[in-house]
Amino acid sequence: DSGVTQTPKHLITATGQRVTLRCSPRSGDLSVYWYQQSLDQGLQFLIQYYNGEERAKGNILERFSAQQFPDLHSELNLSSLELGDSALYFCASSAPRGLAGGPADTQYFGPGTRLTVL
Amino acid sequence: DAKTTQPPSMDCAEGRAANLPCNHSTISGNEYVYWYRQIHSQGPQYIIHGLKNNETNEMASLIITEDRKSSTLILPHATLRDTAVYYCIVRVSVKGQGAQKLVFGQGTRLTINP
Repeated sequence: DSGVTQTPKHLITATGQRVTLRCSPRSGDLSVYWYQQSLDQGLQFLIQYYNGEERAKGNILERFSAQQFPDLHSELNLSSLELGDSALYFCASSAPRGLAGGPADTQYFGPGTRLTVL
Repeated sequence: DAKTTQPPSMDCAEGRAANLPCNHSTISGNEYVYWYRQIHSQGPQYIIHGLKNNETNEMASLIITEDRKSSTLILPHATLRDTAVYYCIVRVSVKGQGAQKLVFGQGTRLTINP
């Protein structure tokens, strides 16, 4: 158990809909990362938040957005869903206070949310 | 793109040491080598990381060559539960933002046989 929690575990929805995925980082971690894993693309970095602010962006579509709240949990919002958005979505956290941003800052992953768009 | 090269698959007998190689010939002096594994569709699990020196923890050992262009992850006594995809990752920084995203390649699919 990494200490990172994600809800829901599974999500089935229809094209055109909007969903929200939730992530709670390890206690004390300041950074949250979102990754997408699809069959044809592998694990891809989407976006990072650090202490409430966006820190880095990867291959995140404009239909997707994220935020990190004052209690450090994060939500990934996916809208106008398409069949190709079906994937596993992982959240990771790192940067406990005192080690934030250091070179040996290790990311710990949650169990993921499996999104199926029909 | 990932800056590492790994064999796509490997087999190992249960109880034997599993040695997983990784090439990272373009690694910079301040970049760390990280190893993660993913069992089935679970979240990637951190195994170990290193910069220059060899490292060992309760899960594995990491051997980094002196020129840092390659490394080997060693699982000393492999069990069936070690069957997974193993990712070797060189930690990158996003310029101007100090972020530390992980870039995953295809990894090595390690199968432990009874």
